[in-house]
Amino acid sequence: DSGVTQTPKHLITATGQRVTLRCSPRSGDLSVYWYQQSLDQGLQFLIQYYNGEERAKGNILERFSAQQFPDLHSELNLSSLELGDSALYFCASSVGLLDYKNTEAFFGQGTRLTVV
Amino acid sequence: DAKTTQPPSMDCAEGRAANLPCNHSTISGNEYVYWYRQIHSQGPQYIIHGLKNNETNEMASLIITEDRKSSTLILPHATLRDTAVYYCIVRVPGISNFGNEKLTFGTGTRLTIIP
Repeated sequence: DSGVTQTPKHLITATGQRVTLRCSPRSGDLSVYWYQQSLDQGLQFLIQYYNGEERAKGNILERFSAQQFPDLHSELNLSSLELGDSALYFCASSVGLLDYKNTEAFFGQGTRLTVV
Repeated sequence: DAKTTQPPSMDCAEGRAANLPCNHSTISGNEYVYWYRQIHSQGPQYIIHGLKNNETNEMASLIITEDRKSSTLILPHATLRDTAVYYCIVRVPGISNFGNEKLTFGTGTRLTIIP
């Protein structure tokens, strides 16, 4: 158990809909990262938050957005869903920024999104 | 971040040492080598990291060549539970590396442990 909690574990929804994925980082972790993994694809970085502020953006679609709340949990919002958005979505957290002392990111077990 | 090259797949007999290579010929002096693994559809798990000295922890050993252009992750006594995709990542840690504190995953090596 990494200590990172993602809900829900599974989500099935229809095209055009909007969903929210939730991530609770490990206690005390300030950084949250979101990754997408499509079937047989690698892990694609989407976005990172640090202490409530956006820190880095990857290949995140405009239909997707995220935020980190004052209690440090994070939500990833996916709207106007398409079949191609079906994937595993992982959240990771780290104590701070990944620097020389803080070197490890802890990943949750993911949310499997299926768009039908 | 430097690019890495890993073989797409490898097999290893249970109980033997699994040696996973990684080439990172364009690595720069302040880039570290990290290894993560992902057991089928689970979240990736940190294994080990190093700069230039060999490193060992309870999970594995990391051997980095003297010129730092390649490294090998060694699982000393592979078990069936070590079957996973192993990712070699090269990056610069440091809060001055603004916007690059993320981990960039490649395609990794799919390691299969054979009973």
